[in-house]
Amino acid sequence: DSGVTQTPKHLITATGQRVTLRCSPRSGDLSVYWYQQSLDQGLQFLIQYYNGEERAKGNILERFSAQQFPDLHSELNLSSLELGDSALYFCASSVGPGETYGYTFGSGTRLTVV
Amino acid sequence: DAKTTQPNSMESNEEEPVHLPCNHSTISGTDYIHWYRQLPSQGPEYVIHGLTSNVNNRMASLAIAEDRKSSTLILHRATLRDAAVYYCILRDFYSGAGSYQLTFGKGTKLSVIP
Repeated sequence: DSGVTQTPKHLITATGQRVTLRCSPRSGDLSVYWYQQSLDQGLQFLIQYYNGEERAKGNILERFSAQQFPDLHSELNLSSLELGDSALYFCASSVGPGETYGYTFGSGTRLTVV
Repeated sequence: DAKTTQPNSMESNEEEPVHLPCNHSTISGTDYIHWYRQLPSQGPEYVIHGLTSNVNNRMASLAIAEDRKSSTLILHRATLRDAAVYYCILRDFYSGAGSYQLTFGKGTKLSVIP
């Protein structure tokens, strides 16, 4: 157990639907990162929050949004889902805001869009 | 453009040392070299990182060339549990608040032969 909790572990939904993925960071960590991993694209950085504020944005689609709450847990919202959104979504956390702090990853949410 | 270059795959015999190479010829003076690994069906896991000097921890050693244009991750005695994809990573700059993040490439798939 890495200390980063992601729920749900698996999600199957239909095209056009909206889903919410949840991440609880490791105790004491202030940064949360979201990554998407698909077979053909590898691990893609989506977005980072640090202590409740958005800090960096990567390859995140406009249909996707995220937020970090005062208790530091984070949610990734995916809407108007398409078949191509099927992927593993990983959350990671770190103590500080920068990349020199080691990232701790959760075990991921596997999203299947049918 | 990829900032690091790694072999797609490598094989090692169990209980033998493994040297995983990485080229990063465009590295800047302040870039740390990060190594993560991803075991099958799991999220990535931090292995080690360093700036200039060689680094050791309980998992591995990191040997950094004097000109910093290449590095080698050393697993001293490979076990079957070390079979994973190993990522050598430099940071990328992302817009938004203007911060650096870790961008994962394809990595090296390490197979360990019993």
